[in-house]
Amino acid sequence: GAVVSQHPSWVICKSGTSVKIECRSLDFQATTMFWYRQFPKQSLMLMATSNEGSKATYEQGVEKDKFLINHASLTLSTLTVTSAHPEDSSFYICSARDQARGIYNEQFFGPGTRLTVL
Amino acid sequence: AQSVAQPEDQVNVAEGNPLTVKCTYSVSGNPYLFWYVQYPNRGLQFLLKYITGDNLVKGSYGFEAEFNKSQTSFHLKKPSALVSDSALYFCAVFKDSGAGSYQLTFGKGTKLSVIP
Repeated sequence: GAVVSQHPSWVICKSGTSVKIECRSLDFQATTMFWYRQFPKQSLMLMATSNEGSKATYEQGVEKDKFLINHASLTLSTLTVTSAHPEDSSFYICSARDQARGIYNEQFFGPGTRLTVL
Repeated sequence: AQSVAQPEDQVNVAEGNPLTVKCTYSVSGNPYLFWYVQYPNRGLQFLLKYITGDNLVKGSYGFEAEFNKSQTSFHLKKPSALVSDSALYFCAVFKDSGAGSYQLTFGKGTKLSVIP
């Protein structure tokens, strides 16, 4: 099956700093990537949809200046949490769709990145 | 609006017994339904999907799901539970977000605990 990786797996940072999370599709081209946030014991909340070469589409209530998304290539998308604060601490998961398999294909998920802001 | 509901926060089952994790859906048009599993501190793994065709869908790790249009349900099942099946299970539906873009909308998740 298709593999999606995320880096780093876990990051701890000080309040006010920025953190970049990378999401890579390892063996397929991902025209579309998705970024989710998951709080403990809760479901995944879609933050934004990222299309290669164009601006990301953010869900309502998600600050685009706070969560910067770049999808510069068909295998890489990045999420930068700017001026992180403790309330940004969460589990961030990316997902990618293999466009070659068609529209109704399953999304493949990365292993997630746990962000802890002190 | 496309949505799914998982009515149970937690399901407990004894090892070797059959298990069912429930999911109901509310969609306009044809439903495209998925099940994913999440192990602690891990991303989601795809189990199975229903797009069209047979109502009984077989997936990974011995799981299957039955699409029931009259009851708008897509329950996940396994004939004999294993302790290693203990995890968080998510039902999801494809949602057309416009301009040819599709995204998954997830249920709240059901924690499955298989007791030895």
